[in-house]
Amino acid sequence: EAQVTQNPRYLITVTGKKLTVTCSQNMNHEYMSWYRQDPGLGLRQIYYSMNVEVTDKGDVPEGYKVSRKEKRNFPLILESPSPNQTSLYFCASSPIDRVNTGELFFGEGSRLTVL
Amino acid sequence: GQQLNQSPQSMFIQEGEDVSMNCTSSSIFNTWLWYKQDPGEGPVLLIALYKAGELTSNGRLTAQFGITRKDSFLNISASIPSDVGIYFCAGPRGGNKLVFGAGTILRVKS
Repeated sequence: EAQVTQNPRYLITVTGKKLTVTCSQNMNHEYMSWYRQDPGLGLRQIYYSMNVEVTDKGDVPEGYKVSRKEKRNFPLILESPSPNQTSLYFCASSPIDRVNTGELFFGEGSRLTVL
Repeated sequence: GQQLNQSPQSMFIQEGEDVSMNCTSSSIFNTWLWYKQDPGEGPVLLIALYKAGELTSNGRLTAQFGITRKDSFLNISASIPSDVGIYFCAGPRGGNKLVFGAGTILRVKS
């Protein structure tokens, strides 16, 4: 089954404790992206990647890092999480020829709480 | 900052009612997209619009790309309980970014 898989789905952590949210897709998509969803703000893009070893900042990259060493994986790293990073996070992917038309495939989300 | 303005922010529906929501922007978009997010899941693409004035249907859903390219609306006819969720409009910005509205929350009237 074609899918975008995120782990963990739920996580409660404490300020300053490094964490990684993994994202993996099995559709051979070149493009991958991370979003955070907050009430009243919709989905805001954190980082995106056009292909392996190519990453770029979205609209809200502060406090996050990403890497794209393999085509299928795009982990989101919070080196020193803070309470304002409490949010619902989504990973998404797309074939490169559909990026300009905005057709993304989303994972099921990872709900992160930072105490 | 937020570039797409959705209204209403939330609405209650009764089964069988028609539902209408819209999305506006101060900037021109060349593509408009409507996504739906079911509770506990990620957004799923419902309809994509690529041409100003275009009217597209997907089952009970109808969406239009405004002629000025600064707005779009989504209609749901004869709503059913599984229509509840959050509806997002979205548009590509700068080629590699997709910007989303804040969403319209659809709830069932009890």
